Amino acid sequence: DAKTTQPPSMDCAEGRAANLPCNHSTISGNEYVYWYRQIHSQGPQYIIHGLKNNETNEMASLIITEDRKSSTLILPHATLRDTAVYYCIVRVARIRNDMRFGAGTRLTVKP
Amino acid sequence: KAGVTQTPRYLIKTRGQQVTLSCSPISGHRSVSWYQQTPGQGLQFLFEYFSETQRNKGNFPGRFSGRQFSNSRSEMNVSTLELGDSALYLCASSFGTGDYEQYFGPGTRLTVT
Repeated sequence: DAKTTQPPSMDCAEGRAANLPCNHSTISGNEYVYWYRQIHSQGPQYIIHGLKNNETNEMASLIITEDRKSSTLILPHATLRDTAVYYCIVRVARIRNDMRFGAGTRLTVKP
Repeated sequence: KAGVTQTPRYLIKTRGQQVTLSCSPISGHRSVSWYQQTPGQGLQFLFEYFSETQRNKGNFPGRFSGRQFSNSRSEMNVSTLELGDSALYLCASSFGTGDYEQYFGPGTRLTVT
C-alpha cells in the first residue's frame, strides 16, 4: 500500500469548509484513495473514495490532483459533529479487507 | 437502511473465560470483517468472512475465531481470555469480498479483568 502523510491536527470554524490534505506521492495507477473518520468511542465511518476523478457525495467532496500524488477531503459546511480523526488510506480495491489506519488528522470544529 | 449492529455493546469478563460477539451486517452485504482496536496498537484486522467462508486472516492467535451464517450474520469467539484482549471489537460489512468501502458497527467494548 502507498504511504500517506496527513497533518496531525487541524481546526475549523463551524459553518466553514474544512479542507483536509493527504499526500500519497508513491501511489500507483490502480490504487484508490479512501477516506474514513472516527468520532471518539464510535466505529470508523466510511466517507468517500476515488481513483482519479473528483468525487462528491452527501458527506464530502474528494479532490485528487492530476498527478494523483495528493488529495483533499472537503467538508463543505463543518459542524461540531464533524469533530473526529480523519484517515486517508491508499489501497488497491477489492484485494483484501484488512484495513489499516495511520495516525490521521484530528479535526476540531470550533463554534 | 439499517446499519451494522453489534451485540453486546459492553462486556466484562475475567481471565480464562471465553466470549462470543455478534454482528449483523447491512442488508445485502455479504462480507463481514472483524477488527480489534486498542489505543496502543490502533486498528488491527482479525479476519474476513464472505459467503460463510473465511477469506483473509490477520496475525492473531488461534484463540480468536469466527464464523458466518447463511444470512451473513457473523460471530467471533475469543477463548481463554487474557488481559491484553481488552479492546474495542469492531465489525464491518461490505458488499463484496476485499471491498474497502466498509461500514462499521458501533463496536463491542470488552474488558478483561
